[in-house]
Amino acid sequence: GAVVSQHPSWVICKSGTSVKIECRSLDFQATTMFWYRQFPKQSLMLMATSNEGSKATYEQGVEKDKFLINHASLTLSTLTVTSAHPEDSSFYICSASGLGGGADTQYFGPGTRLTVL
Amino acid sequence: QKEVEQNSGPLSVPEGAIASLNCTYSDRGSQSFFWYRQYSGKSPELIMSIYSNGDKEDGRFTAQLNKASQYVSLLIRDSQPSDSATYLCAADTSGTYKYIFGTGTRLKVLA
Repeated sequence: GAVVSQHPSWVICKSGTSVKIECRSLDFQATTMFWYRQFPKQSLMLMATSNEGSKATYEQGVEKDKFLINHASLTLSTLTVTSAHPEDSSFYICSASGLGGGADTQYFGPGTRLTVL
Repeated sequence: QKEVEQNSGPLSVPEGAIASLNCTYSDRGSQSFFWYRQYSGKSPELIMSIYSNGDKEDGRFTAQLNKASQYVSLLIRDSQPSDSATYLCAADTSGTYKYIFGTGTRLKVLA
């Protein structure tokens, strides 16, 4: 149980384009989803927290207009990196917690590796 | 600033030995603690959660929590080369479901 999927698993795009990443909880209802970014050899950095049906809460220093988060249902959250630039290249990982998965336990998706040329 | 601290390692142990990973946290309001394993290039995988003082065992893994000392540890018995990974310690932040992650300890199990 408590399986989280992400799509795509990797994406390469040109500078200036937008990229959308989907995060789905497959076997439980995710009342809360989290988006992290991880640069090589560094730990996870929380970008934002989203609750179903409400606006995401962004961490300090994360541009909400650049990283658009939508948590439209209890099983789906999306992260859109708008006007991506090479410095946005990173490993983006979502996690989900909620009913059936443990309200306080975060289960991670497999991650999306973004490369911006 | 709320923090979770781990020794970055690498911690090298021979195959079959016990690996001991440690973590301290600063937020006395933290109630939930988690150990995740992360292989290179992959996302974190939950190993164990612990909420009460004392030990919690699951197979070869034992988590230990001491809230008075603000200390969490993970013991891996009969370590295998496949256990070689980075182990992340996480604590919830009081009043929220957000975690604070440590920087991780890299474990190497030598065959």
